[in-house]
Amino acid sequence: GENVEQHPSTLSVQEGDSAVIKCTYSDSASNYFPWYKQELGKRPQLIIDIRSNVGEKKDQRIAVTLNKTAKHFSLHITETQPEDSAVYFCAASTGAGGYQKVTFGTGTKLQVIP
Amino acid sequence: NAGVTQTPKFQVLKTGQSMTLQCAQDMNHNSMYWYRQDPGMGLRLIYYSASEGTTDKGEVPNGYNVSRLNKREFSLRLESAAPSQTSVYFCASRAPEPPGELFFGEGSRLTVL
Repeated sequence: GENVEQHPSTLSVQEGDSAVIKCTYSDSASNYFPWYKQELGKRPQLIIDIRSNVGEKKDQRIAVTLNKTAKHFSLHITETQPEDSAVYFCAASTGAGGYQKVTFGTGTKLQVIP
Repeated sequence: NAGVTQTPKFQVLKTGQSMTLQCAQDMNHNSMYWYRQDPGMGLRLIYYSASEGTTDKGEVPNGYNVSRLNKREFSLRLESAAPSQTSVYFCASRAPEPPGELFFGEGSRLTVL
């Protein structure tokens, strides 16, 4: 089955700096790569996603890049703010039709220091 | 529009006791999931249901059973709880593609003594 590895497990940055989180996946059939943010004590929520036919996607301060050949994708957060502090999960999705299995990475705890 | 609702939010069990976690979604999604979250291990899939009447095992199904009662409801049952099942459990439903976003419930924190 799919295996998703995520690094680093913890990341501390100064407010205003950039943060980068990297993930690799094993199944070349994966075609959808979402990123979820989980604030302390809350549920994970989607912040950005990318499909396998796209190399990069941006949404304000957040961007995701995908390298299908190398099977890795990354989350970039620019101009970090204290409210960006949370655990971030990458995921990879395979399958077709009404169901796609979603496999998550182990998470990155991001701390933005004011 | 409540999204995904889970009950209970907290539960303490003794080893060997049984319980059912309830989950309901009001978004008319076909696919529903149960994940467990443990420190340093991310979200691991326990069971999923692609549609009403179907269920299948995920990565860590041992010790659990599920029921897809109807399109809205997907319950998770622990028949004989063990301390290793102490975790936070999340139910989720998935929007039709695109984009295929997962919507999570608030989570259920279970402690097995």
